[in-house]
Amino acid sequence: KAGVTQTPRYLIKTRGQQVTLSCSPISGHRSVSWYQQTPGQGLQFLFEYFSETQRNKGNFPGRFSGRQFSNSRSEMNVSTLELGDSALYLCASTRQDPIYGYTFGSGTRLTVV
Amino acid sequence: TQLLEQSPQFLSIQEGENLTVYCNSSSVFSSLQWYRQEPGEGPVLLVTVVTGGEVKKLKRLTFQFGDARKDSSLHITAAQPGDTGLYLCAGAAPGAGSYQLTFGKGTKLSVIP
Repeated sequence: KAGVTQTPRYLIKTRGQQVTLSCSPISGHRSVSWYQQTPGQGLQFLFEYFSETQRNKGNFPGRFSGRQFSNSRSEMNVSTLELGDSALYLCASTRQDPIYGYTFGSGTRLTVV
Repeated sequence: TQLLEQSPQFLSIQEGENLTVYCNSSSVFSSLQWYRQEPGEGPVLLVTVVTGGEVKKLKRLTFQFGDARKDSSLHITAAQPGDTGLYLCAGAAPGAGSYQLTFGKGTKLSVIP
């Protein structure tokens, strides 16, 4: 079966711009979570969506937002990009709840210049 | 805020050697998950342990969950170059709407042929 698909794989943006990342979960998975991974901080939780509703949120500024559509696909948006937003953004999906584990996508590598 | 400390941060060993990676916390987790991540890719789930004292084996990998469900270890027997990667542990605990995962910063393993 198809895995978690993230697009685009690579992105270069300029400070102050905004960006939208996309994630298609595994078919049947209704929970989609987003993580930011950097060498210094590791994986940090952004938010989780379930049935189009944000169910959990991490400690990121309001510039980071997301949404989920009725087909479980999810997008995350970062506005007013800063250099520190450069990171690997990972999407993960699971059927109901992450207690038993996630399937991750390959990530979107965002570079802010 | 729950924290997971992984040790060691870096490990470089010769093919055929044994190794153990540790994941420790002062918090109790409902489950503990181990992932392996290769450069440029998302983490891949190796195992989930849920019961205190539980031991799971996956070929040459042995995973143990501490009796108090606060710590875990990953032991690799006769390491091979294909085991090279970043090993991440993640603990699941009840969040606002569902279980939320906290990730350790990882152990970077290099197995030299």
